[in-house]
Amino acid sequence: KNEVEQSPQNLTAQEGEFITINCSYSVGISALHWLQQHPGGGIVSLFMLSSGKKKHGRLIATINIQEKHSSLHITASHPRDSAVYICAARKNTGNQFYFGTGTSLTVIP
Amino acid sequence: GAGVSQSPSNKVTEKGKDVELRCDPISGHTALYWYRQSLGQGLEFLIYFQGNSAPDKSGLPSDRFSAERTGGSVSTLTIQRTQQEDSAVYLCASSLLRGRGEQYFGPGTRLTVT
Repeated sequence: KNEVEQSPQNLTAQEGEFITINCSYSVGISALHWLQQHPGGGIVSLFMLSSGKKKHGRLIATINIQEKHSSLHITASHPRDSAVYICAARKNTGNQFYFGTGTSLTVIP
Repeated sequence: GAGVSQSPSNKVTEKGKDVELRCDPISGHTALYWYRQSLGQGLEFLIYFQGNSAPDKSGLPSDRFSAERTGGSVSTLTIQRTQQEDSAVYLCASSLLRGRGEQYFGPGTRLTVT
């Protein structure tokens, strides 16, 4: 079993739809990161959170520490949001990161 | 300012040869990470440097892999006696704050072992 599980693996949405990507983890963590990887391969950090909720533009990330679960929401999705979204959990002991396998999002105009 | 840079961007090498991959982190960032992304697989943590402290090597897959960071800045990942399963994109990231900072990723080095 992977320490970090993401769902869904693949997601296709119509432009304008509200999107949710889920991440569950089984290890104790000090922080959880959401990353975006575009088709060209570049990775951008979207959020780092250890509690509660963060918002940046149309992106919202939430985390529930008790349930060991995080969600990434995209409101009013746009084709430029098409990318792979990766959840990464930093263990609360040491410096090890565990990564989800990613969610491939395609937003159709 | 300049982001994280990595070189080379692509490297093709023969099985059994040694390779060196370089990472230049963002100036002032004390934390530096190396990751590997194999085709069709997720990201994998390799090693972590914090300033001049001893690195966390817990993610290195074998003793053929080593890394150093000179002067708390530039880092080199060395793979000795490369194998075909070492083929992957090797990514470097840096962060301002240990464990609590956003990570900034480099463009990666695509390594192909033939």
